[in-house]
Parts: sequence; C-alpha cells; structure tokens
Amino acid sequence: AQKVTQAQTEISVVEKEDVTLDCVYETRDTTYYLFWYKQPPSGELVFLIRRNSFDEQNEISGRYSWNFQKSTSSFNFTITASQVVDSAVYFCALILTGGGNKLTFGTGTQLKVEL
Amino acid sequence: KAGVTQTPRYLIKTRGQQVTLSCSPISGHRSVSWYQQTPGQGLQFLFEYFSETQRNKGNFPGRFSGRQFSNSRSEMNVSTLELGDSALYLCASSLVLEGEQFFGPGTRLTVL
Repeated sequence: AQKVTQAQTEISVVEKEDVTLDCVYETRDTTYYLFWYKQPPSGELVFLIRRNSFDEQNEISGRYSWNFQKSTSSFNFTITASQVVDSAVYFCALILTGGGNKLTFGTGTQLKVEL
Repeated sequence: KAGVTQTPRYLIKTRGQQVTLSCSPISGHRSVSWYQQTPGQGLQFLFEYFSETQRNKGNFPGRFSGRQFSNSRSEMNVSTLELGDSALYLCASSLVLEGEQFFGPGTRLTVL
C-alpha cells in the first residue's frame, strides 16, 4: 500500500524567510501523481500542484517551487520570502495511476509565519 | 464558475442517529470524492463516484455509504452515528480521473 510521510508537524518562521516543507512517499507502482494542497484556517483544501511521476523537472510558480526527486522518493515544497498569508496546513498527497481519484494524504505540516 | 458546494456546513447529531451530507460539484465535473478529516486520523479517503458508479471505497465500515445522481451531485450517508464520526467531511470534484481535485468547504459534523 502507498504511504506519504510529512515528518515536520509544525514549522514557525519569521516573515520573508524561506521555508521548505518535506514530503517522502512510498509506493511500489512506477507511475503515479503527486500533489500539494494548502488548507488555510477556513478549512477548504486549495490545490497547489500536480506532478506526474515521469516528470522530474522542478517547477516554480511565483514564490512557490517544488523539487521532485524520484531517486529519494521525495517531493519537497519551498516557499521563498514567506508571508503571513502563507500560514496554513500543507498536505502532500499521492494518486496511483489507475487508482481513480483516491488521494492518499500525508499528515500535513502546520506552517506559521510571524511578523 | 461556481466552486464545489457542500450542505449543510455544520451539523450536530446524537449517537445512534443518521445523517446525510450533500455535495454539488463544479459544473461539468463527473467525478466526486469524499474524505473524512479528524485530528487523530488526518485526511482519509471515503469513496469516489464517477458517472453515478462507485469506483473506489476506502476502509470505512458499512455505516458509511454514498451515491451520485445523474447531475453529478453526490450524497453521503452515515447511519447509527458514533462519537468517533465527529469530523470534517470534505467533498472534492474533478474533471478527469487522476487530475486535480477541487474541494468544497466541508461539513463539520459533531456527534454528541
């Protein structure tokens, strides 16, 4: 069975600091999709990124960047110059190819950005 | 374009009762998935429907059931409620399988 591990339960940073959220996954399948979601205090999960297991190219979107390394089964997420509005719980998740839309989530990392 | 809507937003029930939660997906989305979120167990997959057919089911007891209608709206039902069923129930819709899922605001169920 697949598994997603987010070892960092909570991270606190001061605004403008860079922060990296770690995600390690386990699966025997060779094809899968990886995701990151943000859950602000309002509770609604917000989609951030979807990455195919065949595509190891790093991606940057504004202050967000993702580093996918298949060799270490990691899909880390970095926020550059963090802002207070980035405070939320961030979830890494996995879908196996052929697995429909069944997301397997990590336990989440609570990010607190303070002034 | 309207997002995923869930009703009701909050619900208080007592043990032994049953409850029905509703989810309206984004227009055009035929896949609807349900998740339970609790502090202890985190986010867990309940089930997934695509074109009125249940495609996947998570590891939950038979008290948890769901269905999808021809207009893609979905309902989930929990019978004989237990205290441990208190959770945030999230619905998500997707245009394609294995694609990005868009989540609703959730229904906060409290069982007393």
